[in-house]
Amino acid sequence: SAVISQKPSRDICQRGTSLTIQCQVDSQVTMMFWYRQQPGQSLTLIATANQGSEATYESGFVIDKFPISRPNLTFSTLTVSNMSPEDSSIYLCSARGTGGGRYEQYFGPGTRLTVT
Amino acid sequence: AQSVTQLGSHVSVSEGALVLLRCNYSSSVPPYLFWYVQYPNQGLQLLLKYTSAATLVKGINGFEAEFKKSETSFHLTKPSAHMSDAAEYFCAVSSTGTASKLTFGTGTRLQVTL
Repeated sequence: SAVISQKPSRDICQRGTSLTIQCQVDSQVTMMFWYRQQPGQSLTLIATANQGSEATYESGFVIDKFPISRPNLTFSTLTVSNMSPEDSSIYLCSARGTGGGRYEQYFGPGTRLTVT
Repeated sequence: AQSVTQLGSHVSVSEGALVLLRCNYSSSVPPYLFWYVQYPNQGLQLLLKYTSAATLVKGINGFEAEFKKSETSFHLTKPSAHMSDAAEYFCAVSSTGTASKLTFGTGTRLQVTL
């Protein structure tokens, strides 16, 4: 299994500012993803982070608002730009393994963002 | 397209009682199915998965789930609930392909009472 860490674990930010969340996986993985979990809700996929190329965004999410980087096979960042209170959510990084674990998807502990 | 329906947003059981969390899926191709657990203020932990091998899947913490194609179901069970099982449980589906994406259900909050 893959162990995923995220930084920061939580933050309180003012509207109009941006926050960059870091995700580190302890092993090389094929795919990395970013999810949003709004309070009391399920998980919604924001985008798939592609190594060395632009991320693939889901409907309703755009690169200008959620720029994503993935410079190598174990690290990715998600930036929440020009934040508003509606962006208050938990943001989770996720990764899919390789070989026999390629069908298993693991999650980081999440970043709890509050926008005031 | 694929989707998951979890029946019951809240389930309450007594400690020692059977846990049954329901999940029905819809998929146009053979699915892979997963159950995840989320404890308060934590990320998601994989409980178990079905990837077209045995239809009865055993996971961690005494949980198991049975894939029933005829009923398009993948219900999660545990014979005897423990207080530590109180958490949010998510069922998820993906298609058979390593590039496929997980689609989550809306979650079921399990409460365990004395």
